[in-house]
Amino acid sequence: GDSVTQMEGPVTLSEEAFLTINCTYTATGYPSLFWYVQYPGEGLQLLLKATKADDKGSNKGFEATYRKETTSFHLEKGSVQVSDSAVYFCALAQGNEKLTFGTGTRLTIIP
Amino acid sequence: KAGVTQTPRYLIKTRGQQVTLSCSPISGHRSVSWYQQTPGQGLQFLFEYFSETQRNKGNFPGRFSGRQFSNSRSEMNVSTLELGDSALYLCASSLQGTGGDTQYFGPGTRLTVL
Repeated sequence: GDSVTQMEGPVTLSEEAFLTINCTYTATGYPSLFWYVQYPGEGLQLLLKATKADDKGSNKGFEATYRKETTSFHLEKGSVQVSDSAVYFCALAQGNEKLTFGTGTRLTIIP
Repeated sequence: KAGVTQTPRYLIKTRGQQVTLSCSPISGHRSVSWYQQTPGQGLQFLFEYFSETQRNKGNFPGRFSGRQFSNSRSEMNVSTLELGDSALYLCASSLQGTGGDTQYFGPGTRLTVL
């Protein structure tokens, strides 16, 4: 079945550092790809998405490009802030199927 | 536009009891999905409803059930609670529930089973 593999955490960075969280997927078709973020005590918020190959999703300084050839959707941000501390989930969905999530990556930004 | 709301936000139950959780989707959204989040298993899909019909189901025992009403509001029920059912239960709504649709999540209901 479909699956998502994400970078193991936790990840700790200093403020203004460059962030990459790796995400690769396995799917039989052409899924849509998502990054969700979860702040402490809250539900999931959509951060960005891409629905076809070579699409780039972006939001709040975060970016991810749908790479079909490497089955990847890595999350990047050029300069992280303390407020970016959260858990990040990579996910895929196709057709009428459910969202399949990765295990999540906990990110902590130190001032 | 109001977001997805879930009630109650917190619940404490004892083993053997049953519980009903409620989810109100974003206005106009017809698909509602439920997920269970635990530290050990991560986010796991329970089921999805569209136009009052269960369209997809995850790999959970029959103790977990749900329904959707004509106004798209949804409830999930867990009977004969077990300690392992302690989790954050998240509801998500989307317009049609297709792969390209964005699912919008509620804040979750945290269930503790003692």
